Amino acid sequence: EDQVTQSPEALRLQEGESSSLNCSYTVSGLRGLFWYRQDPGKGPEFLFTLYSAGEEKEKERLKATLTKKESFLHITAPKPEDSATYLCAAPVGGSQGNLIFGKGTKLSVKP
Amino acid sequence: DTAVSQTPKYLVTQMGNDKSIKCEQNLGHDTMYWYKQDSKKFLKIMFSYNNKELIINETVPNRFSPKSPDKAHLNLHINSLELGDSAVYFCASSLMANSEKLFFGSGTQLSVL
Repeated sequence: EDQVTQSPEALRLQEGESSSLNCSYTVSGLRGLFWYRQDPGKGPEFLFTLYSAGEEKEKERLKATLTKKESFLHITAPKPEDSATYLCAAPVGGSQGNLIFGKGTKLSVKP
Repeated sequence: DTAVSQTPKYLVTQMGNDKSIKCEQNLGHDTMYWYKQDSKKFLKIMFSYNNKELIINETVPNRFSPKSPDKAHLNLHINSLELGDSAVYFCASSLMANSEKLFFGSGTQLSVL
């Protein structure tokens, strides 16, 4: 069964304290690994797609990496505005939009 | 301008009632989706339409019926609401069915009493 699992469920950091979020997946015929950010009361917002092991993508303080079994979202010197829930997802079935999501990691960054 | 807008934002109703949630996108996308986020925060796909045609229909009770009058709109009608239907429902769109990037609306929080 296709599955996406994220850890930890919650992460509290001090401003400037770097860390990583984990997404492990078991998806047959992986056609991409997606990262989204979700703020309270809002819908998920697209961050990255990774397609092959070894690939890396960066956006401001965020860097996503992919191996054959998991993906990491590295957050370097986070700021309070990085506080959000980060969701990992993978497409299944015939459509890229048919995503299975992990439960997310709720990140809190304190000043 | 909001790219994907859904109404209402909040919906509180009694068990057994029928209700609708509306969604509109102004991005010119061909494909639209309904996702459900339950109390455990899992997001799960319910339906997808590509150019008004149903392409994804996950295991969802028949009480849920999507309708796409045109490719910019995808509405969700729910009959005979049950307590377990309480959740946040998100509409989303993508350029095409094979597009990697989904644009989500802000969600409709449905509470069934």
